[in-house]
Amino acid sequence: NAGVTQTPKFRILKIGQSMTLQCTQDMNHNYMYWYRQDPGMGLKLIYYSVGAGITDKGEVPNGYNVSRSTTEDFPLRLELAAPSQTSVYFCASNGGQTGGAEAFFGQGTRLTVV
Amino acid sequence: DQQVKQNSPSLSVQEGRISILNCDYTNSMFDYFLWYKKYPAEGPTFLISISSIKDKNEDGRFTVFLNKSAKHLSLHIVPSQPGDSAVYFCAARDAGNNRKLIWGLGTSLAVNP
Repeated sequence: NAGVTQTPKFRILKIGQSMTLQCTQDMNHNYMYWYRQDPGMGLKLIYYSVGAGITDKGEVPNGYNVSRSTTEDFPLRLELAAPSQTSVYFCASNGGQTGGAEAFFGQGTRLTVV
Repeated sequence: DQQVKQNSPSLSVQEGRISILNCDYTNSMFDYFLWYKKYPAEGPTFLISISSIKDKNEDGRFTVFLNKSAKHLSLHIVPSQPGDSAVYFCAARDAGNNRKLIWGLGTSLAVNP
């Protein structure tokens, strides 16, 4: 049982470059989330999705885009990378309205923008 | 405005003693509370949860207490072990907002041998 899988684990981007952080889950969870964690800080919600075809902004959505074409996948897109986006990114999923409260997390993607 | 607050950024405890991590919240629409543990370079992992209709939930060395009137919950770890050293996050599920999880900023626990 893989749970939540994120790729890549590490990435260095130059300012202005773009990239997609991949996230997939095999638990048939409706809800998926993208968080970022800055040093010494808690988890800030970037975007979330309550099901395929539905996405919503979280606390810090600027500079990011998401899509949810399938239940399993929830990629996060950075279009024009900025140093302020240097952070560790976590994808998570849970059962949402019909499932338990417990969320399962991926291992994280450490992104550095230089 | 922080709806879930962990007011102690860090806590240091001797091995074998009790660790008590605290969490306060403001939103009465929270229906579940969860504790997560996070090691460096890893994603948070679920530890224990409690429904808002309960006041205690126990799982081995971990017990969570909920005081709904005070909007306060705590995680007790007894006895504490060096492997418990990690950052602990308190989270609450907002039943009034798509059941999103709202997170505290975390408490870094160090258990000293």
